Amino acid sequence: SAVISQKPSRDICQRGTSLTIQCQVDSQVTMMFWYRQQPGQSLTLIATANQGSEATYESGFVIDKFPISRPNLTFSTLTVSNMSPEDSSIYLCSVAAKSYNEQFFGPGTRLTVL
Amino acid sequence: AQKVTQAQTEISVVEKEDVTLDCVYETRDTTYYLFWYKQPPSGELVFLIRRNSFDEQNEISGRYSWNFQKSTSSFNFTITASQVVDSAVYFCALSSPYNTDKLIFGTGTRLQVFP
Repeated sequence: SAVISQKPSRDICQRGTSLTIQCQVDSQVTMMFWYRQQPGQSLTLIATANQGSEATYESGFVIDKFPISRPNLTFSTLTVSNMSPEDSSIYLCSVAAKSYNEQFFGPGTRLTVL
Repeated sequence: AQKVTQAQTEISVVEKEDVTLDCVYETRDTTYYLFWYKQPPSGELVFLIRRNSFDEQNEISGRYSWNFQKSTSSFNFTITASQVVDSAVYFCALSSPYNTDKLIFGTGTRLQVFP
């Protein structure tokens, strides 16, 4: 299994600001995913991030709002831009170990926007 | 389109009772994977099991067991002799190599085990 860390673990931010969330994996992985979990809800995929290519966004999510970087096979960042209270959620990074088709999740970043 | 349905929003049981969490999925792909994850109050998502579409054998791991039935498109999860530590939200999920392996989650079932 992969060990995934996320920074920050939680943050409280003001409306209109931006926050960048980091995801670090202890091994090289092909595919990384960013999910959002709004309070009391299920997980929704924001985008898929492959190294060396643009992230692929799901319907309802746009690059201007959630820019993603994937500079190498062990690291990715998700930025939540121009935040509003509706962005208050847990943001989770996950990785797919292709040979096993398993997905492991990071501990999540709890974001509160005031 | 792919879809996962967890009709049970919340289940409450008393410790030592057996409990089954239902999961029904929809997909047109012939190859797909089914997952169960546990999310305790701490918020971390814990991987429990992955099943591929070609393996219908039921699996048992300690007090946990899974029943995969393609005929009814179901992948149910049973906890035997439940414990308070089993209290969590449980998510069933579906992925397919034809759909970039992204996970499609059900809405989750909140399990509360009372002493």
